[in-house]
Amino acid sequence: EDKVVQSPLSLVVHEGDTVTLNCSYEVTNFRSLLWYKQEKKAPTFLFMLTSSGIEKKSGRLSSILDKKELFSILNITATQTGDSAIYLCAVEVDEYGNKLVFGAGTILRVKS
Amino acid sequence: ETGVTQTPRHLVMGMTNKKSLKCEQHLGHNAMYWYKQSAKKPLELMFVYSLEERVENNSVPSRFSPECPNSSHLFLHLHTLQPEDSALYLCASSPGTGGPPQHFGDGTRLSIL
Repeated sequence: EDKVVQSPLSLVVHEGDTVTLNCSYEVTNFRSLLWYKQEKKAPTFLFMLTSSGIEKKSGRLSSILDKKELFSILNITATQTGDSAIYLCAVEVDEYGNKLVFGAGTILRVKS
Repeated sequence: ETGVTQTPRHLVMGMTNKKSLKCEQHLGHNAMYWYKQSAKKPLELMFVYSLEERVENNSVPSRFSPECPNSSHLFLHLHTLQPEDSALYLCASSPGTGGPPQHFGDGTRLSIL
């Protein structure tokens, strides 16, 4: 059974801290790994990773994939209260590309 | 504003009612999805439509019936639901015919009495 596990389940930090969120996976037909941010309702797309070792960056957020060890990390530097959200990791698992297996998410709360 | 609009935002219904959830996107995307998000559980894929054709039915009970009349609209028809069907139902879309969803709607919060 395809599985995506995120850790920690929740995290509370202070503004300015750097956080690292983890995502590990066990799937039969890996295509890509995606990160989403879910604030109030709609998840918003952050990154799509397909190759090992290539860091993707967007402002204070960055992510990298390790296909040998089957995990990805999402880093957020200089956190702000607006970073408070649920961060979802998902793995695209079939050739057609429509099936995503989601992790349960990491709840991040940034205190001012 | 994500470009994907879902209505209603909230829905309370009895187990014998029939209702429909609506999703609309005017992003020119070719694929649309229904996901279910229950408390403390990962997002679960329900249905995928690509170019108005259903390409994925992820073992969803028949009391959920999707409909995609055109590439901009997606419906989820509900009939004789169970209390465990109470959840947030999210619609999503993607530009291609075979890629992961990139734009999600805000969801419909469904409560079954």
